[in-house]
Amino acid sequence: ETGVTQSPTHLIKTRGQQVTLRCSSQSGHNTVSWYQQALGQGPQFIFQYYREEENGRGNFPPRFSGLQFPNYSSELNVNALELDDSALYLCASSGDRGFDTDTQYFGPGTRLTVL
Amino acid sequence: AQRVTQPEKLLSVFKGAPVELKCNYSYSGSPELFWYVQYSRQRLQLLLRHISRESIKGFTADLNKGETSFHLKKPFAQEEDSAMYYCALSGVSGSARQLTFGSGTQLTVLP
Repeated sequence: ETGVTQSPTHLIKTRGQQVTLRCSSQSGHNTVSWYQQALGQGPQFIFQYYREEENGRGNFPPRFSGLQFPNYSSELNVNALELDDSALYLCASSGDRGFDTDTQYFGPGTRLTVL
Repeated sequence: AQRVTQPEKLLSVFKGAPVELKCNYSYSGSPELFWYVQYSRQRLQLLLRHISRESIKGFTADLNKGETSFHLKKPFAQEEDSAMYYCALSGVSGSARQLTFGSGTQLTVLP
């Protein structure tokens, strides 16, 4: 069973640009969640996808969007980047059965810096 | 609205001493609570969840609904316990179960 992977590890963008971050969920996990972790803070929920549909969203503007694909991969897209978008972006996957339903398994994160 | 508060940003104890990391929550429904740990240069990983009532690496946490707390405890701290600890609450947002995290406590166990 493979763990959650994310790419790239680090990314530098300038204000106004667009960025796509990628995640590969743990095999068999149909739910993926994305979190933003600013420096010195806990992760903050952005949104969740289940079987390719967004089924929940935190307090983030529409320029944060996502996609989930049938092969357990997913993307986080951020348009019109702002300086405050600089953070560690985490994806987490969870399963459909039993213990795995509420337990989220995290990837290593992508560090985004907006200049 | 759901909220998790970890009042201590930094906590230092000596090896062999007891340690308690505090966590308080606010949630209108029936909460599911977790402790996640992040060791240096490693990813965030689940330490324990209240529903399992288990002890992992000597850590335990009891859900106290009256005090809305879920403090993490270990009777004898070890140097390898030094890490960042996050308390998290799983609640419903739309059809999703989202985790709401506290801001974390950096635990340092001194030799």
